[in-house]
Amino acid sequence: EPEVTQTPSHQVTQMGQEVILRCVPISNHLYFYWYRQILGQKVEFLVSFYNNEISEKSEIFDDQFSVERPDGSNFTLKIRSTKLEDSAMYFCASSETGLNQPQHFGDGTRLSIL
Amino acid sequence: RKEVEQDPGPFNVPEGATVAFNCTYSNSASQSFFWYRQDCRKEPKLLMSVYSSGNEDGRFTAQLNRASQYISLLIRDSKLSDSATYLCVVSNNAGNMLTFGGGTRLMVKP
Repeated sequence: EPEVTQTPSHQVTQMGQEVILRCVPISNHLYFYWYRQILGQKVEFLVSFYNNEISEKSEIFDDQFSVERPDGSNFTLKIRSTKLEDSAMYFCASSETGLNQPQHFGDGTRLSIL
Repeated sequence: RKEVEQDPGPFNVPEGATVAFNCTYSNSASQSFFWYRQDCRKEPKLLMSVYSSGNEDGRFTAQLNRASQYISLLIRDSKLSDSATYLCVVSNNAGNMLTFGGGTRLMVKP
């Protein structure tokens, strides 16, 4: 069964450093998403992306965050200057065609900010 | 009112039991509804979509009541492998953003 893949599985970074999290969505999917889950808390939406532009973003997704689809397969989340509170599990997801489709999640990148 | 509200549990049930989870949501314009399961420190995995007519997938039955803004999940003949956190998930009115409940933890005991 096709799946969303994410790298790295664990990223440890010093506060203030830039970090890039990478995702390869399912190949025929057109909609891409990032979510995060702080330990012990619920999954929170960050951003959705379609046709090379952001279609929705949450209050969490401020100027420190950006997303990019640099080629035909990768979808990246960049955090420019990390803060301690950015420590979380970051999940990438994708959905097939149209909105309101189920989203399929990658196994996440655990980001630890020191 | 929380956007998506669930009883956090835990629900401790013996194998073979039937267990039901409920969820309420606040956005009456929400377009789509799902149940996901999440094992400890793993990604959410889609369990099933939820439709107003109700839908069943093996031992799992989901129901949506739009008037009451209420979603349910019924698990029959519980297995040890059903132990997980069950996440009630609701889309926004544009359908391009999911809002997750805090999850209901289920523990199935032998």
